[in-house]
Amino acid sequence: AQSVTQLDSHVSVSEGTPVLLRCNYSSSYSPSLFWYVQHPNKGLQLLLKYTSAATLVKGINGFEAEFKKSETSFHLTKPSAHMSDAAEYFCVVSDLAGTASKLTFGTGTRLQVTL
Amino acid sequence: DTEVTQTPKHLVMGMTNKKSLKCEQHMGHRAMYWYKQKAKKPPELMFVYSYEKLSINESVPSRFSPECPNSSLLNLHLHALQPEDSALYLCASSQGDSYNQPQHFGDGTRLSIL
Repeated sequence: AQSVTQLDSHVSVSEGTPVLLRCNYSSSYSPSLFWYVQHPNKGLQLLLKYTSAATLVKGINGFEAEFKKSETSFHLTKPSAHMSDAAEYFCVVSDLAGTASKLTFGTGTRLQVTL
Repeated sequence: DTEVTQTPKHLVMGMTNKKSLKCEQHMGHRAMYWYKQKAKKPPELMFVYSYEKLSINESVPSRFSPECPNSSLLNLHLHALQPEDSALYLCASSQGDSYNQPQHFGDGTRLSIL
């Protein structure tokens, strides 16, 4: 079975400083990995996805993630945090379930951005 | 703006009421999903429809009844709910036939059971 572990439940950064949200995965084959963001009272928005093409994946709003097979990691980064980045972030691994997909979510990391 | 539209945004109902949640997508996706999300937790999968057929039921109580009238619409019928069913209910869709394609989520229905 595939799984993901988000190493921090809460991360606080100052506006303008780098963001690092950590995720480790467990999979017996090449995984499909995603990062989603959820703002308060909203649904989940896809930030980026890894599907075995490039190991460095660029997403929306300046976020990117690097797939490191040797470390089984898929950490999310952003060079400079903005106040609007404050939200809940989920690392997700996807598996095929019949003709659909089944997502396994990490427990989430709450990003706080301070002035 | 999300490409998956859920209505209503908020719903308050008593334990004896019957209500329905609606989800619509026009992206041509063939797989649709219902999730339940409690505060400060990740979403939990409830049901999966693939090509308009129910393919996964994650042992959800029968007071929740899903329906997929066509490839663009997904309903969740609610009856005799319990207070612990209060949560954010999210709908999602994906292309189907691949686990590489992401799921696209609606903004959810916030359900409160009195």
